[in-house]
Amino acid sequence: AQRVTQPEKLLSVFKGAPVELKCNYSYSGSPELFWYVQYSRQRLQLLLRHISRESIKGFTADLNKGETSFHLKKPFAQEEDSAMYYCALSGAAGNKLTFGGGTRVLVKP
Amino acid sequence: GAVVSQHPSWVICKSGTSVKIECRSLDFQATTMFWYRQFPKQSLMLMATSNEGSKATYEQGVEKDKFLINHASLTLSTLTVTSAHPEDSSFYICSARDGYTFGSGTRLTVV
Repeated sequence: AQRVTQPEKLLSVFKGAPVELKCNYSYSGSPELFWYVQYSRQRLQLLLRHISRESIKGFTADLNKGETSFHLKKPFAQEEDSAMYYCALSGAAGNKLTFGGGTRVLVKP
Repeated sequence: GAVVSQHPSWVICKSGTSVKIECRSLDFQATTMFWYRQFPKQSLMLMATSNEGSKATYEQGVEKDKFLINHASLTLSTLTVTSAHPEDSSFYICSARDGYTFGSGTRLTVV
């Protein structure tokens, strides 16, 4: 069985401060990990995926297979980063996603 | 970029009636689409995988007779909630294009 855990339901940081959203997973094979973002009243959007090794909107995430983690980081949070963030995992079974519970990020001015 | 259109964006229906939700891939063909359900303040849970030209694959605990899925073309999958009850009220979201592009969701309220 595959599982994704986001231990923090809410992260509140000040503008310009670093932010890290934790994501741990459980999967027996080689997973593909994703971060999705959902801004207020908007659809879910793909933020980044581990195989791309990209930095989107200043966010990065590194897959740590030893710790089974895929934490999302940004060195300097901006107010427009306030949103709901979901970590997700895709296993071998054809691209269906297992989502974590989500973390709400609130960036205060 | 790839766009997945979902319709309607919200619907209110009476208990016992059926509601159809459409998911369309606008600029690409999707042999596979996915249907998720999201309860308030909770995460997305996969309900079923919709396969073009064949039967959908349902996740454990999802009633296939209640949530009818039809994927008759490469650009359209429909989810029909049959004999809806208030507990079916939820946010339903589809995805396509390798499962990574999501529709805007449908909020269903059953009264």
